[in-house]
Amino acid sequence: EAGVAQSPRYKIIEKRQSVAFWCNPISGHATLYWYQQILGQGPKLLIQFQNNGVVDDSQLPKDRFSAERLKGVDSTLKIQPAKLEDSAVYLCASSLAGERRRTQYFGPGTRLTVL
Amino acid sequence: AQSVTQLGSHVSVSEGALVLLRCNYSSSVPPYLFWYVQYPNQGLQLLLKYTSAATLVKGINGFEAEFKKSETSFHLTKPSAHMSDAAEYFCAVESSLNTGFQKLVFGTGTRLL
Repeated sequence: EAGVAQSPRYKIIEKRQSVAFWCNPISGHATLYWYQQILGQGPKLLIQFQNNGVVDDSQLPKDRFSAERLKGVDSTLKIQPAKLEDSAVYLCASSLAGERRRTQYFGPGTRLTVL
Repeated sequence: AQSVTQLGSHVSVSEGALVLLRCNYSSSVPPYLFWYVQYPNQGLQLLLKYTSAATLVKGINGFEAEFKKSETSFHLTKPSAHMSDAAEYFCAVESSLNTGFQKLVFGTGTRLL
């Protein structure tokens, strides 16, 4: 079974530029998550989708971050414009459903460096 | 709100020695707790999870954790460390959204050397 796929693996941009990350979850997984992991910290949930609907985006900085999952499968996370403090690893995860106790499966992440 | 605290950002052990990684939780409801491992340049992988079925939970790679309600703890142990165990370990507690869906809140991690 293929795991969660993410691309690109690494990205370096200058501040005020735009960047987009792509995630393809495990086949059949209805729930998709985007996390931000700053160096030295644990992952922080940015947004959670159930199929193509948003379940939780309370910690997404909506003035610069956006995410979509148009067909309920793969997803894109965008930052526009990027700030220095956005340097982090962006992790995508998926699960069969978002109900309690479900295991989340993580992709390898995209490491973003903002100069 | 639910939260977890991991004591010690770095833990060093010798090969063959006991591994003990500490996690304390705060939750107003019976918690569901998870341990994840992250190897360099990789995503997180589930080691084990506590979902109230048994207080001693066995996971992959010889790891286990014991849920102690009286101490609000969920420490991760392994009897004998191996070089391949060097990684970062994250404790997480499940926080339920008003929608009924799951949200994981992670600790800051412990790097096992």
